[in-house]
Amino acid sequence: GNSVTQMEGPVTLSEEAFLTINCTYTATGYPSLFWYVQYPGEGLQLLLKATKADDKGSNKGFEATYRKETTSFHLEKGSVQVSDSAVYFCALSERAGNQFYFGTGTSLTVIP
Amino acid sequence: KAGVTQTPRYLIKTRGQQVTLSCSPISGHRSVSWYQQTPGQGLQFLFEYFSETQRNKGNFPGRFSGRQFSNSRSEMNVSTLELGDSALYLCASSTTGTFTEAFFGQGTRLTVV
Repeated sequence: GNSVTQMEGPVTLSEEAFLTINCTYTATGYPSLFWYVQYPGEGLQLLLKATKADDKGSNKGFEATYRKETTSFHLEKGSVQVSDSAVYFCALSERAGNQFYFGTGTSLTVIP
Repeated sequence: KAGVTQTPRYLIKTRGQQVTLSCSPISGHRSVSWYQQTPGQGLQFLFEYFSETQRNKGNFPGRFSGRQFSNSRSEMNVSTLELGDSALYLCASSTTGTFTEAFFGQGTRLTVV
């Protein structure tokens, strides 16, 4: 079946530190991969996506590369800001029915 | 372009009651899916509707049901509420194509007392 495993949190970093949040997946087919972000009291916002192997998704300084050989889609940012504090979800979607499988979420707090 | 709108934002219900949540997708989106988010279980897929038909269903009891109207608006109903149904219910809309991202609403926070 399909599943997503992501790094347990919470993660606390100082401003301008490097961020990595690990994400690995199991899928029966060839999924698209996504990172969503959730700010307190809000729904999920798409951060970035990749639809095939070796694709790199990027947005707002965040990057993630679809690695089929390691079934991974790790999220990285070179220099985090206080405003990046949120919960980050890794997700996959396969062909049928636009059903998304989410990881458990990783809470990130960035301190000044 | 308006985003996904969910109403109401907050609800408090008593055990045994039923509740209906509403979701208006982004204009032109015909797929609407629903998720339950809880601290213990995370985000879990409830069901997905496309062109008024349920296309996919998660592993939830029959107390959870939904429907979609011809204008793509969707409602979700939970009957005989239990304390464990307290959660944030998120609706997501997407276009008809595969491998498309979902756009989420802000959710309805349901508290069952």
